[in-house]
Amino acid sequence: GAVVSQHPSWVICKSGTSVKIECRSLDFQATTMFWYRQFPKQSLMLMATSNEGSKATYEQGVEKDKFLINHASLTLSTLTVTSAHPEDSSFYICSARVPLSDTQYFGPGTRLTVL
Amino acid sequence: AQSVTQLDSHVSVSEGTPVLLRCNYSSSYSPSLFWYVQHPNKGLQLLLKYTSAATLVKGINGFEAEFKKSETSFHLTKPSAHMSDAAEYFCVVSDRGGGFKTIFGAGTRLFVKA
Repeated sequence: GAVVSQHPSWVICKSGTSVKIECRSLDFQATTMFWYRQFPKQSLMLMATSNEGSKATYEQGVEKDKFLINHASLTLSTLTVTSAHPEDSSFYICSARVPLSDTQYFGPGTRLTVL
Repeated sequence: AQSVTQLDSHVSVSEGTPVLLRCNYSSSYSPSLFWYVQHPNKGLQLLLKYTSAATLVKGINGFEAEFKKSETSFHLTKPSAHMSDAAEYFCVVSDRGGGFKTIFGAGTRLFVKA
């Protein structure tokens, strides 16, 4: 199957700082990528849909000014958690949709811990 | 509106015995259905998908699932569990009515006993 990478795999930061997470589709071009958040022992919660060359579409309740998403190329989307606080600590997972398909391939996730 | 219900939060089986993870869905259109597996602190791996072709779908690692429209079900099965199958499993639905947005089930944790 298609490969999606995320970087970093884990990050620890101080409260008030910003953290950028990268999501790359390695062997296909993805016009649409998704960002999810997962709390311990829970399912994935869709945060936003990222479309290449346009503004991301955020789900209800997700602060667009706090979670900045950029999809500058067909293989890269970034999520920046701005002014991070301990409640932002979570597992963030991205996925990329194969063109002309509804199949998503997921990255390995990024564990964010805000102290 | 789409929805997906995984009927068991936890399933425990002995190694070598069959696995059944249950999933029911709701969709106004012909849905695509997926099963993903997630090992601890890892991303999701696609096990199999149904997209209106054969109703019995074979996936990786010996898993398969059967789409039953009359029952709105898409249960995941495996004839013989391995210790390495212990993980979290997610049933996912997607249809064009939701703009192909994917809806995740709550997940089923599979435990495999030696």
